[in-house]
Amino acid sequence: QQQVKQSPQSLIVQKGGISIINCAYENTAFDYFPWYQQFPGKGPALLIAIRPDVSEKKEGRFTISFNKSAKQFSLHIMDSQPGDSATYFCAATYQTGANNLFFGTGTRLTVIP
Amino acid sequence: DAGITQSPRHKVTETGTPVTLRCHQTENHRYMYWYRQDPGHGLRLIHYSYGVKDTDKGEVSDGYSVSRSKTEDFLLTLESATSSQTSVYFCAISFSGTYNEQFFGPGTRLTVL
Repeated sequence: QQQVKQSPQSLIVQKGGISIINCAYENTAFDYFPWYQQFPGKGPALLIAIRPDVSEKKEGRFTISFNKSAKQFSLHIMDSQPGDSATYFCAATYQTGANNLFFGTGTRLTVIP
Repeated sequence: DAGITQSPRHKVTETGTPVTLRCHQTENHRYMYWYRQDPGHGLRLIHYSYGVKDTDKGEVSDGYSVSRSKTEDFLLTLESATSSQTSVYFCAISFSGTYNEQFFGPGTRLTVL
């Protein structure tokens, strides 16, 4: 049973456009939501993360929007660039001390020049 | 890859044989994790360790065992490999527990024939 549901599975965006990836969860105990970026042949790397006490977090061209009541969060990539082409994973965890991450199924983003 | 190495990087084996994957870190991080990555499932936690000789199960631990006799090494063993264990295996490390970034290794591609 997938604890974090992610959509879309794949996304094609023109250079300069906005990429939007959505995630939803059911477990209300989750209180930390990171996004990871993975390039082919590499391990995932942390991109940006949010706690539910804020509704939005922005780092450069990347923004997380968080809707606690709807149990949804999304990643927005502004001014998408070909170098952003990668697979993106949302994840969630709760305060257990061990930081067990529950990942979404991933979104393969392709940015067309 | 944040001072994390995995060996071997690629392995092909036959059903029923034992397999051991190694994760080695040079960061002296307390937490270490083993994930498997499969299409349509994202990354799923197999086992994790919160110190030398301290390990616990993740969400997909059946058929796997782990050991950690030194801070820097975390071993994943498939006692009797099955075709369903064909996957890409990632090791991750974290300085401490909750809310801390996990750094991922380069992965091991395992094929069980």
